[in-house]
Formats: sequence, structure tokens, C-alpha cells
Amino acid sequence: KAGVTQTPRYLIKTRGQQVTLSCSPISGHRSVSWYQQTPGQGLQFLFEYFSETQRNKGNFPGRFSGRQFSNSRSEMNVSTLELGDSALYLCASSSDGANTEAFFGQGTRLTVV
Amino acid sequence: QQQVKQSPQSLIVQKGGISIINCAYENTAFDYFPWYQQFPGKGPALLIAIRPDVSEKKEGRFTISFNKSAKQFSLHIMDSQPGDSATYFCAAFITGGGNKLTFGTGTQLKVEL
Repeated sequence: KAGVTQTPRYLIKTRGQQVTLSCSPISGHRSVSWYQQTPGQGLQFLFEYFSETQRNKGNFPGRFSGRQFSNSRSEMNVSTLELGDSALYLCASSSDGANTEAFFGQGTRLTVV
Repeated sequence: QQQVKQSPQSLIVQKGGISIINCAYENTAFDYFPWYQQFPGKGPALLIAIRPDVSEKKEGRFTISFNKSAKQFSLHIMDSQPGDSATYFCAAFITGGGNKLTFGTGTQLKVEL
């Protein structure tokens, strides 16, 4: 069974640009959560999508948004990039709302210059 | 607000020794407490998890101890090996609240020969 796939693995963007990251969950999993990992703030929850609906949202500005498609693949978008958005963005998939085991992808390393 | 506090930030243990990482939580609604292991360049991977109705759970060399009244839990790694060198995160979760993990700040473990 294939794991969680995140693309691209690395990305360099300029301040003010926008970026879209992609996550393909494990086949059959309907929940996708996104996390931001930085040395200073650790792992912080961004949002969760379940069956194409945003079910949970963390404390991030509106520049961070996401969506989920009917095949459970998810994208997150960050607009008007700031230097502080440089981070490892991780997505995690779970089989359903009651399943507590989250499987993480390898992440997308975003660098904003 | 740091809902899950983790210590120490870093830990050096001799091969064969016991590694102990501690976490404390504030929100009594949390009812599932997983530990994740992360190697450089990889996403976090679930190591072991516990629910508050159990005081201890052991899987191989890894043991979680849970103190519900103190709102604390800890990870013990027995017979620590160089291959255990990684960053460890405790986390907390509310069953039924969607797949939203609240993470501790992480402990960088180094096991020396």
C-alpha cells in the first residue's frame, strides 16, 4: 500500500508570491490534515479536510487555505508569502473520523526568499 | 497557548541506557496520547499511543506511563540504541473532534556508543 505522497518535496518562492502544495493520502483514507513545522514553533495544525469539507481549522491567517477533491487528494495554498512562512509543510492522512492513527508524508520544504 | 508541554528539549543517552521524555497537558478533553518519532528528512511516524484509562502501555523497548490526575505522561525507551537517535514528539488528540493533533515541542534524542 502506497504511503502519503506530498509534492513537490522542495520549493523556493519569493516574498509576495503564492504557492500550492499537494498531498495524496493513503488509498481509502478520507481525512487529510496539514501541519506546519518550524524550529521555533514546532508542529502546528493548519486545517483538516474530511470528505471534501473543512472540518477543523488552526490559528493561521486567511492567507493559508486548502481544499480536498473527491478522490481525497488535498491541496493547500499560501498567498502573499512572507519570510516567516518558510517551513516544512506536512500532511497526514487517516482512514475516517474515528481513526486515531495519522500517517504522515515526508513533507514539502518551502523556502521563502 | 502551549497546550502540551514537553521536556527535555534535547537528551544524550549512552547505548543501553534508558531515555525518558516527559509531557504535560492542560486540556482535560484530550483522550488519546500518541508519541511520534521523526528522523531527518522524514515525516513523523507513530511509535506508541495510550488512552487515559490505562496507566502504562508497553511495546517492545518503548513504554508510555500515564498519570491522569497530574495530567502528565512520559515515554521510556529501554536499552536505547544509536538507531533510536531521532526527534520525539508527544501529542494529544480529542476522539470525535476530527483528526487534529496537538503536539509537544519535541525532544532531540542522541544515543551515543
